[in-house]
Amino acid sequence: GAVVSQHPSRVICKSGTSVKIECRSLDFQATTMFWYRQFPKQSLMLMATSNEGSKATYEQGVEKDKFLINHASLTLSTLTVTSAHPEDSSFYICSARDREGAGETQYFGPGTRLLVL
Amino acid sequence: AQTVTQSQPEMSVQEAETVTLSCTYDTSENNYYLFWYKQPPSRQMILVIRQEAYKQQNATENRFSVNFQKAAKSFSLKISDSQLGDTAMYFCAFLGSSYKLIFGSGTRLLVRP
Repeated sequence: GAVVSQHPSRVICKSGTSVKIECRSLDFQATTMFWYRQFPKQSLMLMATSNEGSKATYEQGVEKDKFLINHASLTLSTLTVTSAHPEDSSFYICSARDREGAGETQYFGPGTRLLVL
Repeated sequence: AQTVTQSQPEMSVQEAETVTLSCTYDTSENNYYLFWYKQPPSRQMILVIRQEAYKQQNATENRFSVNFQKAAKSFSLKISDSQLGDTAMYFCAFLGSSYKLIFGSGTRLLVRP
């Protein structure tokens, strides 16, 4: 149980294009999903909190117009990197909070490696 | 603001031996959760163990156990009978009333055959 998927696992795009990353909770409902960014050999940095049916909450320094988040259902959140630039190249990870589970545990997706040329 | 500190950037242990990873945190909250996550080379974050702050008993999961010292704000992870598959990055994380996970900088563990 408690499986989270992400798609795509890897994407290469040209500078100026937009890229959408999907995060799905496969066997549980997630009222809240989180999006992280991880640079090589560094820790995870929270970008935003995504709540089903409402606007996402962004961390300080994260451009909401650049990183569009939609949480349309209890099992799906999407992150769209708009007008991507090489500095947006990174590893993006989502997590989902199990609505019914105990202990406030977040389960993580396998991540998406984005390379912007 | 809460902070999580992992003071050991890298650790090494011989297979079958025991290793302890350190973690300290700072918070003014009384009710919170602490986690250890493992990130192997695949970069998939895997939950290793979880501790509720209101529970005095230290959590254990098979070969993994924690030493939770609430007053000292310390949360170390002990891995017994280390296996090659334990080689990974280990992150300590704090979850308080904001429901946002705060991660430490990580400890890279190498298990030597």
